[in-house]
Amino acid sequence: AQSVTQLGSHVSVSEGALVLLRCNYSSSVPPYLFWYVQYPNQGLQLLLKYTSAATLVKGINGFEAEFKKSETSFHLTKPSAHMSDAAEYFCAVSDQDTNAGKSTFGDGTTLTVKP
Amino acid sequence: DVKVTQSSRYLVKRTGEKVFLECVQDMDHENMFWYRQDPGLGLRLIYFSYDVKMKEKGDIPEGYSVSREKKERFSLILESASTNQTSMYLCASRGGTGPTSPLHFGNGTRLTVT
Repeated sequence: AQSVTQLGSHVSVSEGALVLLRCNYSSSVPPYLFWYVQYPNQGLQLLLKYTSAATLVKGINGFEAEFKKSETSFHLTKPSAHMSDAAEYFCAVSDQDTNAGKSTFGDGTTLTVKP
Repeated sequence: DVKVTQSSRYLVKRTGEKVFLECVQDMDHENMFWYRQDPGLGLRLIYFSYDVKMKEKGDIPEGYSVSREKKERFSLILESASTNQTSMYLCASRGGTGPTSPLHFGNGTRLTVT
């Protein structure tokens, strides 16, 4: 079974600082990986995805993630945090064994941005 | 833009009641999902459906059932609500090429069972 682990349930950075949110995956096959963001009182929305093309993936709002097979990681980064980035972030892996492609999520990381 | 609409943002129900959570998507997606979200536990899959009248159990199906009579609508049913089902429920849909396509989420229904 595929799984993801997000290291750190809470991350706090200052405005303008680097954002690094960690995600490690476990999969017996090349994975399909996603990062989603959830703002307060909303559903999740896609930030970016990796589907075996380029290992460095760029997403919305200046976020990017790098797929590293040797480290089984897919960490999310942003060079300079904005106050509007405060939200909860979820890493997810998609199951290739079913047509529906059901997704398994990490426990989430809450990002706080200090002024 | 894909729109996934959950009929209620907040629901308060009593223990033992039968509860229906409704979800509608407008993009003709084959796949629909129900997750529950609890603090520190991320999202856990309850049930999913890959076609009309087709359904499969997810990771935590106990105490729940689902119905998909039309492609655009996927209902989650709590047969006899219990306090441990107090949670945020998120509906999602996925189309395209299955596992490589992202999920599209509704805004969630926060259910409180008293």
